[in-house]
Amino acid sequence: DTAVSQTPKYLVTQMGNDKSIKCEQNLGHDTMYWYKQDSKKFLKIMFSYNNKELIINETVPNRFSPKSPDKAHLNLHINSLELGDSAVYFCASSQVRNSGNTIYFGEGSWLTVV
Amino acid sequence: DAKTTQPPSMDCAEGRAANLPCNHSTISGNEYVYWYRQIHSQGPQYIIHGLKNNETNEMASLIITEDRKSSTLILPHATLRDTAVYYCIVRVADTGNQFYFGTGTSLTVIP
Repeated sequence: DTAVSQTPKYLVTQMGNDKSIKCEQNLGHDTMYWYKQDSKKFLKIMFSYNNKELIINETVPNRFSPKSPDKAHLNLHINSLELGDSAVYFCASSQVRNSGNTIYFGEGSWLTVV
Repeated sequence: DAKTTQPPSMDCAEGRAANLPCNHSTISGNEYVYWYRQIHSQGPQYIIHGLKNNETNEMASLIITEDRKSSTLILPHATLRDTAVYYCIVRVADTGNQFYFGTGTSLTVIP
């Protein structure tokens, strides 16, 4: 079973549309994240949720709204899509342990806005 | 979180050891050193992490200097499938702290 799974893997949509990307983790982790990787390949944190509560929101336009129905899911909803939103979006999860925690990533969702 | 400095690119011959350096001169005492890699078109993959001591697992070895200001990731026998971007990250092990990825080192394993 895939530890962190996200759907859809590929999404092509028109400007102005609203779309969602879903993410689920079966690792029992209590923290989940969304990262964005743009065309320059720079991987940047967008949001972080711990036990369904938002703990990090990194200067992301309010068109992006994460939703965490439970600690195993963190979905990303994007309103009024713009050309600049085209990127790869990665979901991830982690769990704090005494020996340091590690973060596990999904395989990414390729979003293309035309 | 402390910043890291890595060379932008490196080459390594297939079958040889790949040694990837990372400088983190402002690291704090409670910050761990993590290594991740991203193979083209895939999600970043955890490799190894450590605090003070050298670490080894089935993928790689991590050598941390005594003053903890730098570290080296060693892939003992590089294969073509190890071609990827390698990220060195330092962070406190706390849910409030994020994994900030820099530009990494693009490793190319040459046949």
